[in-house]
Amino acid sequence: EIVLTQSPGTLSLSPGERATLSCRASQIFSSAYLAWYQQKPGQSPRLLIYGASTRAADIPDRFSGSGSGTDFTLTISRLEPEDFAVYFCQQYGTSALTFGGGTKVEIK
Amino acid sequence: DVQLLESGGGLVQPGGSLRLSCAASGFTFNNYAMTWVRQAPGKGLEWVASISERSGSSIYYADSMRGRITLSRDNSKNTLFLQMTSLRGEDTATYYCGKGSSAFPRGSHFDFRGQGTLVTVSS
Repeated sequence: EIVLTQSPGTLSLSPGERATLSCRASQIFSSAYLAWYQQKPGQSPRLLIYGASTRAADIPDRFSGSGSGTDFTLTISRLEPEDFAVYFCQQYGTSALTFGGGTKVEIK
Repeated sequence: DVQLLESGGGLVQPGGSLRLSCAASGFTFNNYAMTWVRQAPGKGLEWVASISERSGSSIYYADSMRGRITLSRDNSKNTLFLQMTSLRGEDTATYYCGKGSSAFPRGSHFDFRGQGTLVTVSS
């Protein structure tokens, strides 16, 4: 099983600042199978990025993904008020999907 | 637009059973893999099970629930089912269904569009 470790657990930032979220895998896998989700309280996870760097439909271009091998990054270039939420990475290259533990982006 | 409507959750005693449903619309249901993930209160996301398109020839289960769940689909009704038995307190969670990006789970990213259904296992 591929274990995903996200850091930091919580990121305290102000609107307009840049957010950099990390996702590290326990073993190398293809970047084609790495996704990022955003989740707000009481809502289902929203797909942001798939294939490590491809934005899903209707996702603003302030969200970008990068990385390969075992290290992946989600960057939010300038935080908008609606971006404060929890973010999860996920791998889908094996029959058993796995998620990272999440990073909470909170207002400083 | 893709819509997924989960239902069937509720309060059940330890050892009990429930069948969750996910009614899909806005896409050709039988062409896509589907999945269930869950989220315990205040916790992260955990994958539960996935099924391939149409015939459902490929079904995968998480170790934590294997032997206690059965995943199936009714393409004539555009509905995904998750039959759960021998439920435990640690199964208490909101369950979300997701639509895959392709016919088979492996290599599919998933889109979760519903509000989930809450399963509470307690005496």
